[in-house]
Amino acid sequence: DVKVTQSSRYLVKRTGEKVFLECVQDMDHENMFWYRQDPGLGLRLIYFSYDVKMKEKGDIPEGYSVSREKKERFSLILESASTNQTSMYLCASIGLQGNGNQPQHFGDGTRLSIL
Amino acid sequence: AQSVTQPDIHITVSEGASLELRCNYSYGATPYLFWYVQSPGQGLQLLLKYFSGDTLVQGIKGFEAEFKRSQSSFNLRKPSVHWSDAAEYFCAVAPSSNTGKLIFGQGTTLQVKP
Repeated sequence: DVKVTQSSRYLVKRTGEKVFLECVQDMDHENMFWYRQDPGLGLRLIYFSYDVKMKEKGDIPEGYSVSREKKERFSLILESASTNQTSMYLCASIGLQGNGNQPQHFGDGTRLSIL
Repeated sequence: AQSVTQPDIHITVSEGASLELRCNYSYGATPYLFWYVQSPGQGLQLLLKYFSGDTLVQGIKGFEAEFKRSQSSFNLRKPSVHWSDAAEYFCAVAPSSNTGKLIFGQGTTLQVKP
């Protein structure tokens, strides 16, 4: 089974801090994603990566950056955390094999609170 | 632009009753369609998916979904709901065949009454 592991289940940080959320997958998947989940809004894509050192903005990239130095690891960075970034963050990965009909595999999420 | 709409934000059913969760999508071609479930405090788990062929798709945990092209719908059904089905359900569409990106609906929270 594919395992997507997010380093923290709960995280509390202060306004202005630089925050790192880490995600590791163990199935050699090419593509990895970071979503933000808020009540009534579903999941919204922040960034995704289709290869090492490659990234593409999603629908809500403002205030975030990402890093993918190794294939198995995809990090989400809040450059200067703000209270409106309090949310649930979900990481996902997918192995494409040339098409998009494979499901994404999700981590358990990180609930981030910015005080 | 592609979009997914789940008209029901919150649904309550009695245990043993049937369930239907609605999903409508906006997409030009035949999309790849998914239903995911999220139990409290967990990530998303795939229930079922539709790519082509038979429009009635069977999934895990006794769920099924029917793709209706004429109605741009992909509704999720279960004949008899169990208390453990209480969760949040997300419909998603994959608009591109080469990135794996998904567009999610807003989600439907299912509450099960004893």
